Order: sequence, then structure tokens, then C-alpha cells
Amino acid sequence: RKEVEQDPGPFNVPEGATVAFNCTYSNSASQSFFWYRQDCRKEPKLLMSVYSSGNEDGRFTAQLNRASQYISLLIRDSKLSDSATYLCVVEDSSYKLIFGSGTRLLVRP
Amino acid sequence: DTGVSQNPRHKITKRGQNVTFRCDPISEHNRLYWYRQTLGQGPEFLTYFQNEAQLEKSRLLSDRFSAERPKGSFSTLEIQRTEQGDSAMYLCASSLAGEDTGELFFGEGSRLTVL
Repeated sequence: RKEVEQDPGPFNVPEGATVAFNCTYSNSASQSFFWYRQDCRKEPKLLMSVYSSGNEDGRFTAQLNRASQYISLLIRDSKLSDSATYLCVVEDSSYKLIFGSGTRLLVRP
Repeated sequence: DTGVSQNPRHKITKRGQNVTFRCDPISEHNRLYWYRQTLGQGPEFLTYFQNEAQLEKSRLLSDRFSAERPKGSFSTLEIQRTEQGDSAMYLCASSLAGEDTGELFFGEGSRLTVL
């Protein structure tokens, strides 16, 4: 079983739609959680951290459920520029980041 | 540009040859990571350093892979006797220990093709 599992997609949505991605992780000792974004043929970049209380950054909302070992990312009012791969990331007890395989999002006009 | 720098950006080699990649992290960052990424997959952890000390190496990494960070600044990743399965993008990232933001700053990667 992979340490971090994501639906690979692609999610194909129209501009303005709301889309949600989910992720599960296997190591209950995981310390911290993040979403990274990776554009085609580019390096990954941090999108946002994920806190137990949930957190929001503009159109993006991230949530964590430690009991279920489940992380989510919600994107409201999708823009064409949101098209990318979204990587669910878990930090383990030795401070290394474990990446999921990514969920691909395509936003169409 | 003061970001993470990797070279070469592309390397094509024949099976059995040795290759070496170099990473120059952001200057004040003391942690340096190597990841490998293949098409359709997320970055896979290979190894990481804090200063010059190699703190962890993935169990998936064979003995043909070795990484160094001799002076705690730049790092090299060497692959000996390359195999076709080594073809991938090799990503380097750096961060500052103590700043627990989870933000790794990645370089643009070194793409390896083994023929």
C-alpha cells in the first residue's frame, strides 16, 4: 500500500466550477500535511499547508481528518490557470516529505 | 537567480555508463533533498542531508546510487552502471531546518534518459 494515495484524475471541469480532491495516508505518526502544485514540465511548489482546524487561502480550502487519515483540497470558482497536478504531501517523523502520485485538474473555458 | 540550481538539465547515456548530477541549493538552506520523478507519479524520496550529514536514504535506493554533500553546500548524486529503469527526472530541493513550513524549494530537475 502506498503511503499517500490520491485519485489520479483527470478532473475535467468548466471555469467557475467547484472541485474537490481527496487523499489518504497510511502512517498515523505523520506530523504535517501539505498540498503542492505542479505545472506541466515544471517543479512542484507549495500551495498550502493543511491544519486540523481547516484553513483557507482565497479560493482554496484544505482540511485534515486525523482520525480517518484523510486530507482534502477544495477549489472554488475554478480558473483556467488552476489547471495543474495537485500533489498531496505528508511529512513523516524524520522530516522528509512523502508525495502522493498527484491528481490532475483540467479547467476548460 | 538565487533559487535551487541543477545541472545538467538533460543527460542521455547508454546503459552501463555512470552519470553524476549536481545540485546547488539556496545558499542559507541547510537541508538538501534528492527525489526522483517518473511520468504520472509524484516525486519519490531518495535521500536527504542536513549540512554535510546524510540523514536518511530510501530503502528503494540500490547500491548503484550514491549522494554526497561534502562541505554542506552543493550536492552530487551519482548513478553507477545505469539501467533503463533509472530513466527519470531527478529533482533536488532545499529547505531551512527549524522553519517548519513544509516548504521545499525545488530545482528544475535533471532529466536522465538511459538508452
